[in-house]
Amino acid sequence: DGGITQSPKYLFRKEGQNVTLSCEQNLNHDAMYWYRQDPGQGLRLIYYSQIVNDFQKGDIAEGYSVSREKKESFPLTVTSAQKNPTAFYLCASRTQGASNTGELFFGEGSRLTVL
Amino acid sequence: AQSVTQLDSHVSVSEGTPVLLRCNYSSSYSPSLFWYVQHPNKGLQLLLKYTSAATLVKGINGFEAEFKKSETSFHLTKPSAHMSDAAEYFCVVSDSGTASKLTFGTGTRLQVTL
Repeated sequence: DGGITQSPKYLFRKEGQNVTLSCEQNLNHDAMYWYRQDPGQGLRLIYYSQIVNDFQKGDIAEGYSVSREKKESFPLTVTSAQKNPTAFYLCASRTQGASNTGELFFGEGSRLTVL
Repeated sequence: AQSVTQLDSHVSVSEGTPVLLRCNYSSSYSPSLFWYVQHPNKGLQLLLKYTSAATLVKGINGFEAEFKKSETSFHLTKPSAHMSDAAEYFCVVSDSGTASKLTFGTGTRLQVTL
């Protein structure tokens, strides 16, 4: 079945460690996104990519990094510079183009807890 | 610039009664509007979307929404709530000026009681 796979579902990290969250899609979508979700704040955009080897910062990119070496993959690294990394992270994809009509397809999320 | 406001952070209804979740938007261009549902510790699932076709949009699980340009609203309704509808609901706007970026509301938690 087509969809988006995020791993791991749960992750624990000690302060000062970098961690990488995986996101893979087999929907043949050009655009991919990373969101952070905190209680009562909705979803906030971290990074997005419209095409392979290109990505843009979202609203809260500080302390995060991404890569887009393959169309199917868009991993997110939470670095030690991120001051409050404990959150639920969601990856999404959509068809790309000039139109704004395509909906986002979401993975099941990764919950990161810093100990 | 685009923005979206969900007017209620929490809504409680009895099973079998109507559901109304309110959403107002702001957009400088022709917007597309979406409603998503999220169950605890899960990803978001699309309920319905408006993309400048019919203003009354029907979605999954009996939900529908009406696009009202004069009121800049896109409220979500359902005639009869079911226990399985209890979840978080997000209103999302995407306008043609920023086609790659979507803006999410802060969410409305729907509680359904017996």
